[in-house]
Amino acid sequence: EAGVVQSPRYKIIEKKQPVAFWCNPISGHNTLYWYRQNLGQGPELLIRYENEEAVDDSQLPKDRFSAERLKGVDSTLKIQPAELGDSAVYLCASSTPGLAENTGELFFGEGSRLTVL
Amino acid sequence: GQSLEQPSEVTAVEGAIVQINCTYQTSGFYGLSWYQQHDGGAPTFLSYNALDGLEETGRFSSFLSRSDSYGYLLLQELQMKDSASYFCAVLSGSARQLTFGSGTQLTVLP
Repeated sequence: EAGVVQSPRYKIIEKKQPVAFWCNPISGHNTLYWYRQNLGQGPELLIRYENEEAVDDSQLPKDRFSAERLKGVDSTLKIQPAELGDSAVYLCASSTPGLAENTGELFFGEGSRLTVL
Repeated sequence: GQSLEQPSEVTAVEGAIVQINCTYQTSGFYGLSWYQQHDGGAPTFLSYNALDGLEETGRFSSFLSRSDSYGYLLLQELQMKDSASYFCAVLSGSARQLTFGSGTQLTVLP
């Protein structure tokens, strides 16, 4: 069974440029998460989807970040315009509601490493 | 708010036993999870404790004391491949959100 797939794996852009990351979750996983991981830190939640609905986006910086999951499967996270402080690894994770809420088990992709110059 | 504390670095030798501690402060606590992440890799789930006590899964065990807001991950018979970052994460709140600690970098020496 394929795991969570993310692309691109690496992205280098100049500040003020836009960037987008794509995630395809594990088949059948209704819950999808975007996390940001700064160097030497743990993942921090940006947004959580249940199917196509964003059920928790309280930590998403909405002035420059946006996300969508139009058909309730794959998802895109966009940053526009990017700032130097956005350099981080953007992790996508998926799970089923029962699994995540009862065991804290999420399945992560390998992430998209963003460098903003 | 929520806070989790774990040591930033731990070093041990191959074959040894190491314990990674985690203390937390949160409201609406449900349980404590542990994740492993190799450099450049995806975090992978190791264990979950909702009740007090020790859970064993092969060479890895995880412990929780709800009254002390404390848990630990115990790694036995350390192998070189265990060199990685280990994160504790609390499952808490009405949304049952997973919040991660800053991670412990484990280095296993030959």
